[in-house]
Amino acid sequence: KQEVTQIPAALSVPEGENLVLNCSFTDSAIYNLQWFRQDPGKGLTSLLLIQSSQREQTSGRLNASLDKSSGRSTLYIAASQPGDSATYLCAGEYGNKLVFGAGTILRVKS
Amino acid sequence: DADVTQTPRNRITKTGKRIMLECSQTKGHDRMYWYRQDPGLGLRLIYYSFDVKDINKGEISDGYSVSRQAQAKFSLSLESAIPNQTALYFCATSDPTGPGTDTQYFGPGTRLTVL
Repeated sequence: KQEVTQIPAALSVPEGENLVLNCSFTDSAIYNLQWFRQDPGKGLTSLLLIQSSQREQTSGRLNASLDKSSGRSTLYIAASQPGDSATYLCAGEYGNKLVFGAGTILRVKS
Repeated sequence: DADVTQTPRNRITKTGKRIMLECSQTKGHDRMYWYRQDPGLGLRLIYYSFDVKDINKGEISDGYSVSRQAQAKFSLSLESAIPNQTALYFCATSDPTGPGTDTQYFGPGTRLTVL
């Protein structure tokens, strides 16, 4: 069974700190690994998509890496801001479906 | 205007009632999905549709049915709601161009409470 796990479940950091969110997956036959942001009362917003042939993707202060051999992905957020506070979910694409992790709740304190 | 809309946004109902959640999209995508999210769990796929004539069960389809009325509309029904169907429901669309390109676009969610 394909499973995706995210650690930690919650994280609180002071503004300006660099941070890393972790995602692990049990089945390395992954087509891509995606990171989403979820704000209360809103749907998920796609942040980064790393295809299986890629090692990393960057968008602004966000950098996501993918290591299929170890079954891990990380989302690095540089110089965190209070506006980054949200739930971050990772999901692996397997064929016709996405398998989601439970998410990491991030709070950035001003 | 939002590309993916869901109605209603919130619904409280009683056990045994029939409920329909609706999803509309203006992105012109062929693929549409229904997920549910429970506290502490990731999103789980209920049903998905790759075009108007294609309907597929997801991981947790028992107790649910769907209808794809048009390319832009995909409805989720609970024929006889039960309390453990209390959850946040999301609709999503996508238009992949090949393997590994399936970026999904989500609606704002419907919070359903079954008493």
